[in-house]
Amino acid sequence: AQSVTQLDSQVPVFEEAPVELRCNYSSSVSVYLFWYVQYPNQGLQLLLKYLSGSTLVKGINGFEAEFNKSQTSFHLRKPSVHISDTAEYFCAAGNSGGSNYKLTFGKGTLLTVNP
Amino acid sequence: DTGVSQNPRHKITKRGQNVTFRCDPISEHNRLYWYRQTLGQGPEFLTYFQNEAQLEKSRLLSDRFSAERPKGSFSTLEIQRTEQGDSAMYLCASKGGRGVRETQYFGPGTRLLVL
Repeated sequence: AQSVTQLDSQVPVFEEAPVELRCNYSSSVSVYLFWYVQYPNQGLQLLLKYLSGSTLVKGINGFEAEFNKSQTSFHLRKPSVHISDTAEYFCAAGNSGGSNYKLTFGKGTLLTVNP
Repeated sequence: DTGVSQNPRHKITKRGQNVTFRCDPISEHNRLYWYRQTLGQGPEFLTYFQNEAQLEKSRLLSDRFSAERPKGSFSTLEIQRTEQGDSAMYLCASKGGRGVRETQYFGPGTRLLVL
């Protein structure tokens, strides 16, 4: 079994400030890790994913995340946010043991970017 | 590539009624997933299909819920005798390819309100 914890339910920031959204996971097996973004009344859009290799993963819209196995973390960062980044962000884990994995999601972090 | 589509986008029903949702995955994607998202929570896995075979069902999927994918293309999720606790966003995702490295692409969801 695996679980995903997003440590902050809400993160308010000012435009052009840096932001970090925190995610920790626990799993008895190796996992793949993902960050999705959800805009109001829409489905989920993939921001980035870690499967293997370099622990620093770059995604769309200027976001990046770093996989830290010892701390079981996969925090999402952006050096300068825009108003349009206001959305709900979900961290998710998938069991890497097979090709038919389901995703386990955290509860989400609402990022609000203020002018 | 028209993306994953779901219909209807919104459904309001009275307690005790049956409802059916449809998901059309990305063309040629052989894997299809259903998730449920309640207010303030991340999506939770419900069930998974590979082609027409339903390979996994969550304990969340009570006997009032049934999902089908008869020809390995579109899928339907039916809820019988709806309860107020069934009110949620129902998300569908599809994935192609033969390995875990492929991404799950989500549809816009069907928002269900049971009165």
